[in-house]
Amino acid sequence: QVQLRESGPTSLRTSETLSLTCTVSGGSLNDYYWSWIRQSPGKGLEWIGNIFYGGTTKYVPSLKGRVTISAETPNKFSLKMTSVTAADTAMYFCARGVTVTTVVDYYDSWGQGTLVTVS
Amino acid sequence: SYELTQPPSVSVSPGQTVTITCTGHELTRKFVAWSQQRPGQSPVLLIYKDKERPSGIPYRFSASNSGDTATLTITGAQAVDEADYYCQAWDNGVVFGAGTKLTVL
Repeated sequence: QVQLRESGPTSLRTSETLSLTCTVSGGSLNDYYWSWIRQSPGKGLEWIGNIFYGGTTKYVPSLKGRVTISAETPNKFSLKMTSVTAADTAMYFCARGVTVTTVVDYYDSWGQGTLVTVS
Repeated sequence: SYELTQPPSVSVSPGQTVTITCTGHELTRKFVAWSQQRPGQSPVLLIYKDKERPSGIPYRFSASNSGDTATLTITGAQAVDEADYYCQAWDNGVVFGAGTKLTVL
């Protein structure tokens, strides 16, 4: 059973760069999409972007230019978000995306999330 | 940009049946997934490929997708089903509905 765990600083100042890592255990990055999803306090889920195991990335247009998702090692991937503001305060989840077609069709595994606060 | 619309909240009495809708343009052309998120927890996959249930998900959860509307049905709702429910599809990126809060009372 694959498990995902987010790690990284949980408190940032405005204009700093958010850097999070997702460690995947019980499996490698091969054959799946790997995503970052966030949830502002009391709000719904917001997709940030994903990386396919071959290295192809896609980001939500509203964050494009500020966000980079990279594969760090065979079982880690990361999120970098520049110039954060209070609006970026959220729980950040990493998740494994499964494809039935050629895109992310559903998420079958999620990390427990890490709360990042920007002040 | 593509939008998925869900009712903000629904309620059901224990043992009764409740439906949660998710509406998007020509949604039937896309695969819809549903996830459940209990307070303080990560989302859990309930339904994928419109109506498929992962192993371990109770039979009382079922779903369909036709036209512009996907529907999640809980038959015989239990107190443990009180949670937020999100639909999800792909349209030039992953799109989530805003979520529906289910109250069992």
